[in-house]
Amino acid sequence: EVQLVQSGAEVKKPGESLKISCKSSGYSFTSYSINWVRQTPGKGLEWMGRLDPSDSNTNYSPSFQGHVTMSADKSITTAYVQWSSLKASDTAIYYCARRVCNINCYFDYWGQGTLVTVSS
Amino acid sequence: QSALTQPASVSGSPGQSITISCTGSSSDFGGYNYVSWYQQHPGKAPKVMIYDVSYRPSGISNRFSGSKSGNTASLTISGLQAEDEADYYCSSYTSTSTLVFGTGTKVTVL
Repeated sequence: EVQLVQSGAEVKKPGESLKISCKSSGYSFTSYSINWVRQTPGKGLEWMGRLDPSDSNTNYSPSFQGHVTMSADKSITTAYVQWSSLKASDTAIYYCARRVCNINCYFDYWGQGTLVTVSS
Repeated sequence: QSALTQPASVSGSPGQSITISCTGSSSDFGGYNYVSWYQQHPGKAPKVMIYDVSYRPSGISNRFSGSKSGNTASLTISGLQAEDEADYYCSSYTSTSTLVFGTGTKVTVL
């Protein structure tokens, strides 16, 4: 069974750093990209970027380029997104999602989401 | 990058059909047919309902259908049921190899 299990909720202060995780199981971790999606309270979904676990190649949305860093550890089939200096506007739910893209392209499995609260 | 445009809300009575539009520019759709639709119930992760404009994943009811004409994609829900009440988002692969979501539509079953 394919599963993406994310780390738990976080409460941080502005300026602090943070790294959240997405543990994959039930499939070949290096065969699918992991994408990160932000959902701000009461608002819509925003694509942050993707990471190819096979070579750690990344592609960021222009809106998130330079503000977040995506990475992965193949040995433990876990993907990460990290911030070096959080802002209050980073308060959101963050989802990881597996993207299948062979002939068809879409997000077929999602993590349960990680709530990040940034407040002084 | 701007989000694809969706109506904020659509409503219908049980048994009726509704259609949600998703409009963007030609670069938003990138000349590909990689448009997908996601259903999200409160407090839950999104779930794919339609991929590649008009294909349904296994297990998704045939009451859900998708189409695309020009720079507008559409999701139709026929035979509306109470369980269809949720938020719906379109998504597309763009000409710059990025992804973009729609603004989201709240579907209410009257």
